[in-house]
Amino acid sequence: DAGVIQSPRHEVTEMGQEVTLRCKPISGHNSLFWYRQTMMRGLELLIYFNNNVPIDDSGMPEDRFSAKMPNASFSTLKIQPSEPRDSAVYFCASSLPPSSLAGPNIQYFGAGTRLSVL
Amino acid sequence: RKEVEQDPGPFNVPEGATVAFNCTYSNSASQSFFWYRQDCRKEPKLLMSVYSSGNEDGRFTAQLNRASQYISLLIRDSKLSDSATYLCVVSTTDSWGKLQFGAGTQVVVTP
Repeated sequence: DAGVIQSPRHEVTEMGQEVTLRCKPISGHNSLFWYRQTMMRGLELLIYFNNNVPIDDSGMPEDRFSAKMPNASFSTLKIQPSEPRDSAVYFCASSLPPSSLAGPNIQYFGAGTRLSVL
Repeated sequence: RKEVEQDPGPFNVPEGATVAFNCTYSNSASQSFFWYRQDCRKEPKLLMSVYSSGNEDGRFTAQLNRASQYISLLIRDSKLSDSATYLCVVSTTDSWGKLQFGAGTQVVVTP
């Protein structure tokens, strides 16, 4: 299996521009997670989906951020307009759905998108 | 207060030595615990799950203390390749899919 695939790997943009990050989860995984990692705040969960439906978006910083999962094999995270404080590494992760008996399943992370907003 | 707290380190460890560090969690409803490893400029990867009775995986031993709400990781016979940041991860029963990550403990193994 190819693992979780994210694109682009690096993105440099100017403040005010729209940024779209993409993620292809592992085939068969029903849960998808978007995280942001910075030195100051560590790894933060932004939003996660089960079966393409957003379950918890409480971590999304503000209205400038939006995420979609139109099908089981693709998700996007969009920032519009971008700001310098959005500079971070954005990770996508996927897992099999959680089980009430076995608990959460292992999350597999993509290589991340390193975003720099100038 | 953060839900998961870790000593950021770095823990400088001579090759072949043993290193151990803890992680504390604030939510007493937490039920599932993991250690992830993150190499510099790479993605986090699962190192091991942590079970109530404690568990070993080769040179790595994880322990859980529910009464004091902490988990620990011990690395024996440290290798240079063990140099990484170790992330403590916790999940609660009311949100099985959602994981809380600690900020990580950096370990540097020196020759």
